[in-house]
Parts: sequence; C-alpha cells; structure tokens
Amino acid sequence: KAGVTQTPRYLIKTRGQQVTLSCSPISGHRSVSWYQQTPGQGLQFLFEYFSETQRNKGNFPGRFSGRQFSNSRSEMNVSTLELGDSALYLCASSSARTGGDEQFFGPGTRLTVL
Amino acid sequence: QQPVQSPQAVILREGEDAVINCSSSKALYSVHWYRQKHGEAPVFLMILLKGGEQKGHDKISASFNEKKQQSSLYLTASQLSYSGTYFCGTVSYNTDKLIFGTGTRLQVFP
Repeated sequence: KAGVTQTPRYLIKTRGQQVTLSCSPISGHRSVSWYQQTPGQGLQFLFEYFSETQRNKGNFPGRFSGRQFSNSRSEMNVSTLELGDSALYLCASSSARTGGDEQFFGPGTRLTVL
Repeated sequence: QQPVQSPQAVILREGEDAVINCSSSKALYSVHWYRQKHGEAPVFLMILLKGGEQKGHDKISASFNEKKQQSSLYLTASQLSYSGTYFCGTVSYNTDKLIFGTGTRLQVFP
C-alpha cells in the first residue's frame, strides 16, 4: 500500500506570494489533517478534512486555507506569505475521524519564505 | 490547549529505562504517541482510548490515567534505535482535535 505523498517536497517563496501544497492520502483513507512544524513549537494543528468537509480548524489566521477533493486528496493554501510561515508542513491521513485511529504522516513540504 | 510533556530531553545509555509524561488540562478521549527521527516524518507508536488502558509492544509501553488526564510512555532497556523526538497527542471530548505536545527529545548512546 502506498504511503502518504506530499508535493512539492521543497519550496522557496518570497514574502507576499501565495503557495499551494498537495497531499495524497493512503488509498481508502478519508481523513486528512495538516500540521505546521517549527523548531521549538512542535506540531501545530492547522485543520482536518473528512469526506470533503472541514471538521476542525486550528488557531491560524485566515491566510491558511485548505480543501479536500472527492478522491480524498487535499490541498493547503497560504496567501500573502510571511517570514514566520517558513516551516515543515506535514499532512497525515487516517481511516477514521481524528482521535480514534492512528495517523500516517507524509514526508512533508519544507517551505522557506525569503 | 497544548498538552505538556516532561521532560523536554532525556539522555540515556543503551539498556537504560526512561519515562515520558504527558498531561492535559482537559478531559481526554484519547492519547496518541508518535516518534520522529531527525529529517523524517512522525511515526505512530500507539493510541490509548480508554481510561486506565495500557498498551505496549516490544519494550515500549504506555498508560493512560483518565482521571488525572495524564499518559506516560515507558521505554525499557533502550536501544540506539529509540533515539528521536517523542510526541504525545491528545484529543479532548469537547474539541475533537488531535493536539500535540512540544515533544521530548531522547538520545541513546552506546
């Protein structure tokens, strides 16, 4: 079974630009969650999608948005990039809704904002 | 609210034991434990769904005290491969979000 894939793996952008990250979950998984990881902050929850619906959202500004498609693939968009958005963005998929089952993480997208 | 992990860092020699604690201020539905090695994605270790539940595989086990809203991860007879950062994640009854702690960095030396 193929694991969670994320594209691109690395991205360099400048302040003010926008970026779209993609996540393909494990086949059959309907839940996709996104996390931002920075040194010292650990894994910060961004949002969770289940069957194309956003179920939960973390404490991030509205510049961070996402969506999920009918095939469970998910995208995350960050508009008007700031230096502080530089981080590793991880997505995780699960067969069940958050809390009741293990999450499988992708390798992440390393975003650098200059 | 983010769960609190302690200690923040642990240094061990091979064969020694360690305990990592995770506590929350909220009533918990489940506790997850993950390990992340440098440059890699977090990997699932175990999930505890019921108060008082204890789980384990190999020499890594965990307990969940629902009344105290705490969980502990036990690593016995540590191996070099145990090195990494351990994260607990908690799901509370009222938020339904998986929120991770800031992690405990564990280093095992020969």
